[in-house]
Amino acid sequence: RKEVEQDPGPFNVPEGATVAFNCTYSNSASQSFFWYRQDCRKEPKLLMSVYSSGNEDGRFTAQLNRASQYISLLIRDSKLSDSATYLCVVNRGTGNQFYFGTGTSLTVIP
Amino acid sequence: DTEVTQTPKHLVMGMTNKKSLKCEQHMGHRAMYWYKQKAKKPPELMFVYSYEKLSINESVPSRFSPECPNSSLLNLHLHALQPEDSALYLCASSQHQGNQPQHFGDGTRLSIL
Repeated sequence: RKEVEQDPGPFNVPEGATVAFNCTYSNSASQSFFWYRQDCRKEPKLLMSVYSSGNEDGRFTAQLNRASQYISLLIRDSKLSDSATYLCVVNRGTGNQFYFGTGTSLTVIP
Repeated sequence: DTEVTQTPKHLVMGMTNKKSLKCEQHMGHRAMYWYKQKAKKPPELMFVYSYEKLSINESVPSRFSPECPNSSLLNLHLHALQPEDSALYLCASSQHQGNQPQHFGDGTRLSIL
């Protein structure tokens, strides 16, 4: 079983739509969680860390459910500039080894 | 602009060449990483340095040789690479080797002829 599983999409949504991505992880010892955004032929950029209490940054909301071992990302009022691949990342803590999901491709359509 | 700087941005080399990739950060981070990323795939970890010492080698072939001359610099020496080694090579850094977000450089796009 993969360490991190993500629906690869693609998700094609109109501007202004709300879109949600989910990600599951297999190791219950995982300690920290992140969402990264990667544009085509660019490096991954940290979008937000994910905390157990849930956290929000503008139009973006991240949630962590430790009992079910899943992480979610909600994007409200989608913009054209949100088009990218969103990578779910899980860290077991020891060694700071990042386990990446395969990424979810999002295209926001005018 | 990324705070992790990688050079060169692009590199084309033959299978018999020797070249080096360079990575630099001035954020005072003490953990640095090399990743390899193929098209439409997530990054794959190659090496981790913590406090200038190699702490993780993900069974990478010896034709890739990492070096950490000081806390700000990370090199990846390349020798006798194969065409399947063509990829985007990403460097990242984090404050420490623990539960820390990693910050990525913009990568070196490597093509092996």
